[in-house]
Amino acid sequence: AQKITQTQPGMFVQEKEAVTLDCTYDTSDPSYGLFWYKQPSSGEMIFLIYQGSYDQQNATEGRYSLNFQKARKSANLVISASQLGDSAMYFCAMREGQDDMRFGAGTRLTVKP
Amino acid sequence: EPEVTQTPSHQVTQMGQEVILRCVPISNHLYFYWYRQILGQKVEFLVSFYNNEISEKSEIFDDQFSVERPDGSNFTLKIRSTKLEDSAMYFCASSEGDPNKETQYFGPGTRLLVL
Repeated sequence: AQKITQTQPGMFVQEKEAVTLDCTYDTSDPSYGLFWYKQPSSGEMIFLIYQGSYDQQNATEGRYSLNFQKARKSANLVISASQLGDSAMYFCAMREGQDDMRFGAGTRLTVKP
Repeated sequence: EPEVTQTPSHQVTQMGQEVILRCVPISNHLYFYWYRQILGQKVEFLVSFYNNEISEKSEIFDDQFSVERPDGSNFTLKIRSTKLEDSAMYFCASSEGDPNKETQYFGPGTRLLVL
């Protein structure tokens, strides 16, 4: 069964606008972590933001924020004030307890000037 | 800022040859991981390593694969007899091991091409 679902294979956003990348997950473990990574065309994986299942507040890191809706099992990434350098693949991932991390299929974001 | 490093950045090998991919995790991290990403596909977990032994491995990580921490800094992935389908980007990652916040930091990857 798919643990992490990213329903948007591709997204476009105008420079300086905000964009939301969707991620839903499936788990019965009460303890889990949610992660977003950015993969530019050069291939490396860059950690962006983390949300723990017990965290009371939504995580924020600069222009990145995570819209964590636990009951809906969603962990959408919001990028504010998009920049051309934000164009990349974005992967949502989840780690349940001590298990291995599972990645979604990714969303390719293109920022238009 | 400390980072995970990987060598080589690119490796081309003949089918059936052995390859060793090298990683230097962040120095105070305790957990180490290998992932692979076949071109155009999602990142897949291979193995995790803690306290000098494998803690988890996926079904991909068969007998052709092995990992080792030969000294205090390096973490290696060996593929004994490469197959065409082993062509992929291989990422090493490490984490501090804090159970409340196990953020994994990835290296830049090694792009392996098996001919």
